[in-house]
Amino acid sequence: EVQLVQSGAAVRKPGESLKISCKTSGYTFSDFWIGWVRQMPGKGLEWMAIVYPGDSDTKYSPSFQGQVTISADRSANIVYLQWSSLKASDTAMYFCARHGPHKTGLDWGQGTPVTVSS
Amino acid sequence: DIPMTQSPSSLSAYVGDSVTITCRAGQNIADYVTWYQQKPGKAPKVLIYAASSLQSGVPSRFVGSKSGFLYTLTINSLQPDDFATYYCQQTYTTAPWTFGQGTKVEIK
Repeated sequence: EVQLVQSGAAVRKPGESLKISCKTSGYTFSDFWIGWVRQMPGKGLEWMAIVYPGDSDTKYSPSFQGQVTISADRSANIVYLQWSSLKASDTAMYFCARHGPHKTGLDWGQGTPVTVSS
Repeated sequence: DIPMTQSPSSLSAYVGDSVTITCRAGQNIADYVTWYQQKPGKAPKVLIYAASSLQSGVPSRFVGSKSGFLYTLTINSLQPDDFATYYCQQTYTTAPWTFGQGTKVEIK
């Protein structure tokens, strides 16, 4: 069974850094694209970035390029999303998701709420 | 990028009604469409994949179909547990992951 387990809720001040994680199991980590989706309060799903752990290739939404960094640790089967300087507008729920095989859609983590407030 | 135009943005219905949600793709995406249900504070859940295949464990009242570039999710005989927000997504391209705008189904 594919499982994606995300790190817990985070509270930071504007300007602080943050790295959230998503530990995976139940499949060959290197073989599937995996990424992050943002959901701001009361809003829809926004794709942020993906990484292919097999060769560390990354793709970013233009809206998030330069704002966040996605990375993958193949030795631990974990994908990360990090910010170097948070803004209040980064307050949201963040989901990791794996691009499943063929046409099966995404497998999702449970979500990590991030609150940025002074 | 391949846009996915979802409508309506919200609808109200009674328990027992049938409702239809549509997503129009900006080009041919060869049935690479997934429908999700999301409840507040929870991750999206796959209902339908490959445009019309029912995910294991999902009730058969959820039906996916396609006509040309128009993909449809029909919920037959709405149940109280079905009041949620629904999203379509195209997975034809590796990136970007394109989602519809979402449809909130509310109790009338």
